[in-house]
Amino acid sequence: GNSVTQMEGPVTLSEEAFLTINCTYTATGYPSLFWYVQYPGEGLQLLLKATKADDKGSNKGFEATYRKETTSFHLEKGSVQVSDSAVYFCALSGITGGFKTIFGAGTRLFVKA
Amino acid sequence: DTGVSQNPRHKITKRGQNVTFRCDPISEHNRLYWYRQTLGQGPEFLTYFQNEAQLEKSRLLSDRFSAERPKGSFSTLEIQRTEQGDSAMYLCASGPNEKLFFGSGTQLSVL
Repeated sequence: GNSVTQMEGPVTLSEEAFLTINCTYTATGYPSLFWYVQYPGEGLQLLLKATKADDKGSNKGFEATYRKETTSFHLEKGSVQVSDSAVYFCALSGITGGFKTIFGAGTRLFVKA
Repeated sequence: DTGVSQNPRHKITKRGQNVTFRCDPISEHNRLYWYRQTLGQGPEFLTYFQNEAQLEKSRLLSDRFSAERPKGSFSTLEIQRTEQGDSAMYLCASGPNEKLFFGSGTQLSVL
């Protein structure tokens, strides 16, 4: 079936470290891929998206590239800040015959000063 | 700010009681979704409306759950005969397309 798998957390980094959060997916059709972020005490919000193979989504210094050959959409940031501490969710939509967005379990990131 | 609004923020109920949650989406959004989220998990899809039409429901959704979106505006989610396993955060999201805007959720506790 359609699903999203992301690396388990928590991930703890020091400020200015490089971040990678892995995400792989299984889907029928040609899905769009997303990263959503949930900051402490806030609702989920879209961070970035990519709609087709080899597209790169980017926002706030975060990037992710849609890799069809490896069915992956890994999130990266070159230099994290304390304010990036949050839970990150990988997601997909646009599966064949469906309207829903499917989310991964989330990866909690802690950034230490 | 006219973001997605959900009420109530918190609901405590006894097992067997019925509960109803309300979602007011962003006014120009024709898509509306309900999700459920438990601690340490991602949002789990419950149902989807396009305008007033309910076009998709999760196969996991018990018949105790029902949702409406009259006139394609606000939506309600009702849970009948609540069980302790229904305790979760219930999230509403709306969107003009596949990009979702989430509300803050309703936290349900079933005692």
